[in-house]
Amino acid sequence: AQSVTQLDSQVPVFEEAPVELRCNYSSSVSVYLFWYVQYPNQGLQLLLKYLSGSTLVKGINGFEAEFNKSQTSFHLRKPSVHISDTAEYFCAVADTGRRALTFGSGTRLQVQP
Amino acid sequence: SAVISQKPSRDICQRGTSLTIQCQVDSQVTMMFWYRQQPGQSLTLIATANQGSEATYESGFVIDKFPISRPNLTFSTLTVSNMSPEDSSIYLCSVDRNEQFFGPGTRLTVL
Repeated sequence: AQSVTQLDSQVPVFEEAPVELRCNYSSSVSVYLFWYVQYPNQGLQLLLKYLSGSTLVKGINGFEAEFNKSQTSFHLRKPSVHISDTAEYFCAVADTGRRALTFGSGTRLQVQP
Repeated sequence: SAVISQKPSRDICQRGTSLTIQCQVDSQVTMMFWYRQQPGQSLTLIATANQGSEATYESGFVIDKFPISRPNLTFSTLTVSNMSPEDSSIYLCSVDRNEQFFGPGTRLTVL
């Protein structure tokens, strides 16, 4: 079984500032890692994913994440946020065989002008 | 990619009744999943539905409460049975195609 911990339930940040949303996972098997974004009253959209290869993954909207196997982390970063990035962000893992996702509790990013 | 539709998009139901949610995918997929997102919370996997076999339910979810059908490779239904207000949630289906694509969700309110 896997578990995902998102350490911050809310992250307030000013516009154009950098942001990091933290995600740690635990698993006894190999996993794939994902970040999803959910805008208010909308569905889930995939930001980026790590399946294999380079540990630095670039996604949509200027986001990137780095897979750190030794620290079992997959933190999401953006160098300069916009008001439009205000949303709920979910980190998720899936074991490479079963493929079902286990989600973290989510981090609400609030970008202030 | 995958285009997924769900019906209904939202519903308000009385306790004790049942609601069947439909999920349609634009092309064939082997694995489909059903998730629940309770108000203000994260997503929890209800079950995995593969065509031609019984759905596999996660701990805390049972077939009598959440029966699932998977008649072909592009369609699945989830029924929420004998509903109570605690079942008020968004229910989402997803498909796996090297990554998971999610439907728009069905917002269920039980009075």
